[in-house]
Amino acid sequence: NAGVTQTPKFQVLKTGQSMTLQCAQDMNHNSMYWYRQDPGMGLRLIYYSASEGTTDKGEVPNGYNVSRLNKREFSLRLESAAPSQTSVYFCASSSRQGGTGELFFGEGSRLTVL
Amino acid sequence: SQQGEEDPQALSIQEGENATMNCSYKTSINNLQWYRQNSGRGLVHLILIRSNEREKHSGRLRVTLDTSKKSSSLLITASRAADTASYFCATVVLNAGNMLTFGGGTRLMVKP
Repeated sequence: NAGVTQTPKFQVLKTGQSMTLQCAQDMNHNSMYWYRQDPGMGLRLIYYSASEGTTDKGEVPNGYNVSRLNKREFSLRLESAAPSQTSVYFCASSSRQGGTGELFFGEGSRLTVL
Repeated sequence: SQQGEEDPQALSIQEGENATMNCSYKTSINNLQWYRQNSGRGLVHLILIRSNEREKHSGRLRVTLDTSKKSSSLLITASRAADTASYFCATVVLNAGNMLTFGGGTRLMVKP
């Protein structure tokens, strides 16, 4: 059982380039989330999808877009990367909405924007 | 802004000692969760305590919740070197959407 799988694990971009982070879960969870983790800041929610077909902004959505492709997959897109988006990105999923259940996290995608 | 704040930011103890980490939050919550993160890895859920619960145990973990003081503590008893990790509390603010908000974490080092 793979759980939550993120790709790529590492990526280096130049300012202005675009890229998509992929996330897939095999636990049949309805809710999926994208967080970013910066030193000393904990995790901050970028976007979430409470169920297939819905997406909502989190705390720090500017500069990002998301797509809930199907129940399994939730992608995060950076249209024009900026150095401030250098971070570790985590995808998570949950069987319950609204943070009422535990989140299962992927191993993270480490992004550097030069 | 962070809803939960852990204290201390860093903690270093000897193997066998107990480790206590605290989390304070600002507004009424539905539940509070604790997560562990090993270096370079994703977060792993440890325990969830609901707002109507005061204490919960899981193996060597003991979590307390004091809603009047808006605080929670995580106690790890008889610590092991393998407990070395960062520990985060996370809360869901009532009537504020589906946002599970994390604190900045406590970095625990357990020396063998």
